[in-house]
Amino acid sequence: QKEVEQNSGPLSVPEGAIASLNCTYSDRGSQSFFWYRQYSGKSPELIMFIYSNGDKEDGRFTAQLNKASQYVSLLIRDSQPSDSATYLCAVSSTNAGKSTFGDGTTLTVKP
Amino acid sequence: GAVVSQHPSWVICKSGTSVKIECRSLDFQATTMFWYRQFPKQSLMLMATSNEGSKATYEQGVEKDKFLINHASLTLSTLTVTSAHPEDSSFYICSASEWTGMNTGELFFGEGSRLTVL
Repeated sequence: QKEVEQNSGPLSVPEGAIASLNCTYSDRGSQSFFWYRQYSGKSPELIMFIYSNGDKEDGRFTAQLNKASQYVSLLIRDSQPSDSATYLCAVSSTNAGKSTFGDGTTLTVKP
Repeated sequence: GAVVSQHPSWVICKSGTSVKIECRSLDFQATTMFWYRQFPKQSLMLMATSNEGSKATYEQGVEKDKFLINHASLTLSTLTVTSAHPEDSSFYICSASEWTGMNTGELFFGEGSRLTVL
């Protein structure tokens, strides 16, 4: 079992729809959870981080964390073609920056 | 957010030569930097953790004598691929975490360096 698992996709949604990306993790000691976006041929960039159970909203993005279920998700509302990318879920058990990454979910938003 | 710069963006070299990649934190001090390798359509693979002033910590399966990491200052870490071979061709990415005392642990990535070994 991988430490961090994501649906590989590809996930395709129409423009304006909600895209839902899911991630599960195995280490119950995990403290910090991150979502990164990676465009093809580029390096990842941070979208959101979350530490506490519940929802965290930032613009069109909402991260959801359920530590009991070891589950973290990212919702993208009003999806735009520019959101088309690979989304990486990352989990850390420390605050020193070492994170374990999932394999990523490729999202395509169709105009 | 913090800025991490990586150089060169791409490099082509002959088999058997060595290539050095630099990773700089431009507006913050990074006591720890991370080096990753990413093959096409695959996820990031952590190669090593680079600690300022000490030896790097390599992940299992990564040859420390082939991938030399130096972290001589709080703003610069280098990765040298020694005696590169075609199978070393990949996208190499560095990242750093900004320590502020209440660290969130998020990573700031360099632009990546695409290495092609002929």
